[in-house]
Amino acid sequence: DTGVSQDPRHKITKRGQNVTFRCDPISEHNRLYWYRQTLGQGPEFLTYFQNEAQLEKSRLLSDRFSAERPKGSFSTLEIQRTEQGDSAMYLCASSFGTSYEQYFGPGTRLTVT
Amino acid sequence: AQRVTQPEKLLSVFKGAPVELKCNYSYSGSPELFWYVQYSRQRLQLLLRHISRESIKGFTADLNKGETSFHLKKPFAQEEDSAMYYCALRGSGGSNYKLTFGKGTLLTVNP
Repeated sequence: DTGVSQDPRHKITKRGQNVTFRCDPISEHNRLYWYRQTLGQGPEFLTYFQNEAQLEKSRLLSDRFSAERPKGSFSTLEIQRTEQGDSAMYLCASSFGTSYEQYFGPGTRLTVT
Repeated sequence: AQRVTQPEKLLSVFKGAPVELKCNYSYSGSPELFWYVQYSRQRLQLLLRHISRESIKGFTADLNKGETSFHLKKPFAQEEDSAMYYCALRGSGGSNYKLTFGKGTLLTVNP
């Protein structure tokens, strides 16, 4: 499967714990996006990278959230001191060059208890 | 600010009936509009884009700048069209790549 992959697919954690998610984009896709989707809502933009540079961050991305893409390939999204409100599906997408089409991964479902 | 509104959370039609999923947007510039679809147990995928003006799986959508709408239409719905549909907007500007999504409409096509 050469599509976008995300790991883990599901994560259950206790409030206050830190969690980290990984996204592997389609090979050679230089742009990588993170979105968050809560129940009954569409995906909401969190941040995006062009190669290793983080070019835009939503105000939804509080200080507890950090994203990296160290070598311009895979990306990680870390949430520190998780809160119940962080429970959501975290989606990753990638695109190539100036292409308009974003290819989405299957998502990581986070449950904070 | 950019906003996408899909007024219907649920839409149920019978097979062979016409279907229209509504989408309205708010954006001060010239946006790009998209429809994404998510079938059961599958990932989100692009259905169509307004600039291409093509028909995908029998679906079409026309951008109406006067009404700021981008409704998705299909003359004869099929059971396999049952899915979650999201309207999305990308703002103008060379560095603007993020998508703003609506809340989605769950389409059910009954036999």
